[in-house]
Amino acid sequence: GDSVTQMEGPVTLSEEAFLTINCTYTATGYPSLFWYVQYPGEGLQLLLKATKADDKGSNKGFEATYRKETTSFHLEKGSVQVSDSAVYFCAGGKLIFGQGTELSVKP
Amino acid sequence: DGGITQSPKYLFRKEGQNVTLSCEQNLNHDAMYWYRQDPGQGLRLIYYSQIVNDFQKGDIAEGYSVSREKKESFPLTVTSAQKNPTAFYLCASSSSPLRNEQFFGPGTRLTVL
Repeated sequence: GDSVTQMEGPVTLSEEAFLTINCTYTATGYPSLFWYVQYPGEGLQLLLKATKADDKGSNKGFEATYRKETTSFHLEKGSVQVSDSAVYFCAGGKLIFGQGTELSVKP
Repeated sequence: DGGITQSPKYLFRKEGQNVTLSCEQNLNHDAMYWYRQDPGQGLRLIYYSQIVNDFQKGDIAEGYSVSREKKESFPLTVTSAQKNPTAFYLCASSSSPLRNEQFFGPGTRLTVL
């Protein structure tokens, strides 16, 4: 069946560091892929999405490219801020969510 | 503003009592979902509904029940049969079932004493 596997956390970075959170998927066909963000005590918010292979989703400085050849959708940001501290979920296929990666950014 | 509301934000109940969590959306979405989230874990699907008067069990439906009498509303009842009900519950909706991006409510944290 479909599955999404993402990098385990927690991840701790200093402000302005480069961020990569890995996500790979297994699915029939090429489903839309998503990254969601969850701030403490809140629901999930859609961060970005890609609907087909080679699409790049981007929002608030975050980017992810749908790579069919490696079945990956890694999340990247060039310079993280303290306000980016949250849990990030990769999702796709039929209601499949990764386990979440907690990011903590220190000043 | 369009969105999903869940109430209450925090809920406390005694063991053995049933409790109903509210979820309302004004996005005109056909599909609605309930997830459970435990500390440090991902989301687990409890129930989902693709259309009014229809719903399907998710991965962890035992001890829970739902209804979908109106398009806007998808309440979740946590029954006394649920062995470990203390958790954070998230409701979501999407414009079409199962594969589109989902919009989430703010969540309800249920604590059973």
